[in-house]
Amino acid sequence: DTGVSQDPRHKITKRGQNVTFRCDPISEHNRLYWYRQTLGQGPEFLTYFQNEAQLEKSRLLSDRFSAERPKGSFSTLEIQRTEQGDSAMYLCASSLSGAYNEQFFGPGTRLTVL
Amino acid sequence: LAKTTQPISMDSYEGQEVNITCSHNNIATNDYITWYQQFPSQGPRFIIQGYKTKVTNEVASLFIPADRKSSTLSLPRVSLSDTAVYYCLVDVTGGGNKLTFGTGTQLKVEL
Repeated sequence: DTGVSQDPRHKITKRGQNVTFRCDPISEHNRLYWYRQTLGQGPEFLTYFQNEAQLEKSRLLSDRFSAERPKGSFSTLEIQRTEQGDSAMYLCASSLSGAYNEQFFGPGTRLTVL
Repeated sequence: LAKTTQPISMDSYEGQEVNITCSHNNIATNDYITWYQQFPSQGPRFIIQGYKTKVTNEVASLFIPADRKSSTLSLPRVSLSDTAVYYCLVDVTGGGNKLTFGTGTQLKVEL
């Protein structure tokens, strides 16, 4: 257990539905990251926050994806109008600010879109 | 964007030393080299990080030659529980703000 928690651990939804995932980082970490991982591939960066500010978003990220970190603590990742191609493991990580700090990953949320 | 190249898979036996080499020919002056380990259905876990020469911690050593165009992760006396995917990362975003993973090296350790 790294101290980063994600909820739910598994989500099955039908195509076209909206889904929301939650990430609770290590409390003293001010940086929070979202990644997506498909089978056989390494995690792919989606976006990251420093405190409540979203500082970077992948250009590959569809407009159907949105993330928030309203109080600089937990974060949510929402996918609207899900597609089968959204099926993946969604990973959250947190770290302290500063260069090259270790990122601590949560267990992930596995999304299956039928 | 610095690209890393590492073997897709490696096999070993318990008790052996395993060395996984990663090539990163386009590494920039301010880039660090970081290795993560990932077990199935879990998030990646930080193993070790270095800039040059040799770094050692309780689980691994990292060897980086002077030109820094490659690095070698060394796992001493592996066990079955070291079976995992190992990722070599070279960050180019000026501060480690995001990690760029490749496909990693699947290490399989057998008895």
